[in-house]
Amino acid sequence: AQTVTQSQPEMSVQEAETVTLSCTYDTSENNYYLFWYKQPPSRQMILVIRQEAYKQQNATENRFSVNFQKAAKSFSLKISDSQLGDTAMYFCAFMNILTGGGNKLTFGTGTQLKVEL
Amino acid sequence: DAEITQSPRHKITETGRQVTLACHQTWNHNNMFWYRQDLGHGLRLIHYSYGVHDTNKGEVSDGYSVSRSNTEDLPLTLESAASSQTSVYFCASSLSLTDTQYFGPGTRLTVL
Repeated sequence: AQTVTQSQPEMSVQEAETVTLSCTYDTSENNYYLFWYKQPPSRQMILVIRQEAYKQQNATENRFSVNFQKAAKSFSLKISDSQLGDTAMYFCAFMNILTGGGNKLTFGTGTQLKVEL
Repeated sequence: DAEITQSPRHKITETGRQVTLACHQTWNHNNMFWYRQDLGHGLRLIHYSYGVHDTNKGEVSDGYSVSRSNTEDLPLTLESAASSQTSVYFCASSLSLTDTQYFGPGTRLTVL
């Protein structure tokens, strides 16, 4: 079974600064996807970024980028130019893509990020 | 716009009662999922479905059931609610086995 570990329960960053959230995972699979979801106080789960394991290039979405280290099983999220609206719980998630058992998400326990003035 | 909705958004019930949480999506997605969110655990998979009449147990399925009679809906039933089932429940859907899952707004359930 896959496991996802987020070792930082809480983090804070000053507005306009850069912050990195850590995530490690354990799997014996070779083909999988990784995700970062954001959950603001509204409780809605919002996709931030997605990374396919077969792609060597790190995914980026505007101010959000990942550092994907497949051999180390590490998938960190970097938020640049942090904004107050980035305050949220961030979840790292793993998805296997095997047919007959695929598309299921395994989540980490989350990192609560607070952006301060 | 296509969307995924959950109802009710909040519910309080008593121990032993049967409760059904609704999930409805208009994306025509094949795959639908139910998760529960608890402090210290993140989101954990309860049940999932890959299509009409298909249902599968997830990591924490005891005390829950689902049925899939059409593409749009996957209701989650708690046969006899227990206090341990007090949680926030999320429904999600995806088109294919490699597609991103998109989440509903969640239902907060309190079992007294």
